[in-house]
Formats: sequence, structure tokens, C-alpha cells
Amino acid sequence: AQKITQTQPGMFVQEKEAVTLDCTYDTSDQSYGLFWYKQPSSGEMIFLIYQGSYDEQNATEGRYSLNFQKARKSANLVISASQLGDSAMYFCAMSPALNAGGTSYGKLTFGQGTILTVHP
Amino acid sequence: GAGVSQTPSNKVTEKGKYVELRCDPISGHTALYWYRQSLGQGPEFLIYFQGTGAADDSGLPNDRFFAVRPEGSVSTLKIQRTERGDSAVYLCASRKGDRRGGYTFGSGTRLTVV
Repeated sequence: AQKITQTQPGMFVQEKEAVTLDCTYDTSDQSYGLFWYKQPSSGEMIFLIYQGSYDEQNATEGRYSLNFQKARKSANLVISASQLGDSAMYFCAMSPALNAGGTSYGKLTFGQGTILTVHP
Repeated sequence: GAGVSQTPSNKVTEKGKYVELRCDPISGHTALYWYRQSLGQGPEFLIYFQGTGAADDSGLPNDRFFAVRPEGSVSTLKIQRTERGDSAVYLCASRKGDRRGGYTFGSGTRLTVV
């Protein structure tokens, strides 16, 4: 079984500052993927960033980066230069890889989410 | 289509009625997933399909819930004898075999059982 823990129910950040959203996970799978999603008040789930468990480098996508510490089983999301439009719920999720190549994944398991509020 | 389409966007039904929720995935995405999200919570897994077959249905809460994907594209989630506790947003996602790709979610169906 897989478990995702997000310990920050809410976070506040000043516009243009960086913020880190915490995520720890637990799994017995050797190969897995870690994902972050943004869910604005409109309800859509927006994919932000992905990290494979065997990736040696931390993933980056524009202003988003994933601080992956495998030994600690943590996958924190770092948002640089926060914008007002970043205010939303953020979910960390993971999925077991179903093949050695990491091209097939099973179900996503989500954390409880962190509400981020960006202040002007 | 360009994205994952879910219909209807909203559904209000009376307790005890039968409902069907539809998901039209991105063309070419072989994997399709159903989730249920209650207010303020993370999405909970229900079932996922690889092609036409259910690869994992371990998240279906009871036998009132059933899902099909007969031709490997459109999927329907069926709920019999609805209960007020079934009220939630039902999300559908699809994924292709791209190692670095995320799961693409639809906008969801908000189900309200009164």
C-alpha cells in the first residue's frame, strides 16, 4: 500500500517569494512516480511536475521544482517567485510503476492537500 | 478531443435512484481512472482501466458502484440505489504511456444525492 502525507493544511506566502510545500510518502514499491497537482477553486486538477524514483536529478518545470530526497521519502514542491494565481489547493500523489521502463503506472494515491494563499 | 471530457458537469438525483456518469478520455490514452473527491479532501481512487478491462477495481466502495469501458475509450461509472453519502465530485483521468507525462483529469461531475 502507498501513503502520502502532507502535514501543512495551509500555507501563506508573499507575492514574488518562494514557498515549499511538504510531502512525505511511504511505499514498498521499488519503482514509482511522484506527482504534484494544483487544484484552483474552479475544481480542475492541473498537473505540475513529475519525478521518477530512479531519476538522479530533481525535476524542474518552469517555476516549479521538486526536492526529491529518496532516503527520507520526501518529495517537496518548491514554487519560486510566487504569483497571485498560484493561490490554490496543492496535492502530492504517487503511483507504482508497472514496468521496468517506468512508462506504465497504476493508480494515483493522493495526500490530503495544502491550501496555498499568495498575498500581494 | 483535446482534453478529458466528463458529462454531466452537475447531477442532482434523489436517494435510491440510478445514475450514470460519463468520461471521454484523450484520444489514444489507453489508461483511464475514476476518482471520487469529497469537499476539502484529496481524490480517492475508485477504479482504473487498461484498455477495455478493469485493471484495478479495489477502490469501489461497494457493489452499488460499477464501471465499464466497452470499446477502450469512453467509460461510464454507474451507481445504483444512490445514497446521500455518494454526494461528491467524481473525477476521471486518462494517461498515455509517456514516462514523463502526468495523468490528465477532466473537470469532474458534481453528484448531489438529495
